[in-house]
Amino acid sequence: DGGITQSPKYLFRKEGQNVTLSCEQNLNHDAMYWYRQDPGQGLRLIYYSQIVNDFQKGDIAEGYSVSREKKESFPLTVTSAQKNPTAFYLCASTPGYWTQPQHFGDGTRLSIL
Amino acid sequence: LAKTTQPISMDSYEGQEVNITCSHNNIATNDYITWYQQFPSQGPRFIIQGYKTKVTNEVASLFIPADRKSSTLSLPRVSLSDTAVYYCLVGDDGSSNTGKLIFGQGTTLQVKP
Repeated sequence: DGGITQSPKYLFRKEGQNVTLSCEQNLNHDAMYWYRQDPGQGLRLIYYSQIVNDFQKGDIAEGYSVSREKKESFPLTVTSAQKNPTAFYLCASTPGYWTQPQHFGDGTRLSIL
Repeated sequence: LAKTTQPISMDSYEGQEVNITCSHNNIATNDYITWYQQFPSQGPRFIIQGYKTKVTNEVASLFIPADRKSSTLSLPRVSLSDTAVYYCLVGDDGSSNTGKLIFGQGTTLQVKP
């Protein structure tokens, strides 16, 4: 079945450490997105990518970095510069740029040790 | 970007019909209205999308008045498993390339036995 796979499901970060969240899709979608969700809140856009080797900052990009070397992969790195990284991270994809519906993975929950 | 307003929470009982209304006063001509459902610790998933009048699928109905400044998601005969957060989004069909999609706080629906 086609879909989006996020790994790991749970991740723990030590102070001062960078961690990378994986997002892989086999839907052959061009566009991919990363969102952050805090408890009881909606989703906030971190980064998005329209095509391979191209990506743009979303609303809360500070302290995060991404790469898009392959169409099916869009990893997110949470750097030590992100002072409040504890959240639920969601990856999504769409066939075209900001078309709908967005297809989501089941998220990665990041916590600080 | 059209901003949406929806109730923060709603309660219902099993077997009842639930109607969740979303306001989007600044909706643009190219904008579609899309609803997503999110269960705890999962990514949102698409429920239904419409442009005007009424759309129905196996899960829900979407009612959109002529002025398109609001929309109502109708869930027939809800069950306990319909307890979730429901998001109303307004976005264009991708043709204008302006993005983005804004996930607000959503409506938390609690279905009681």
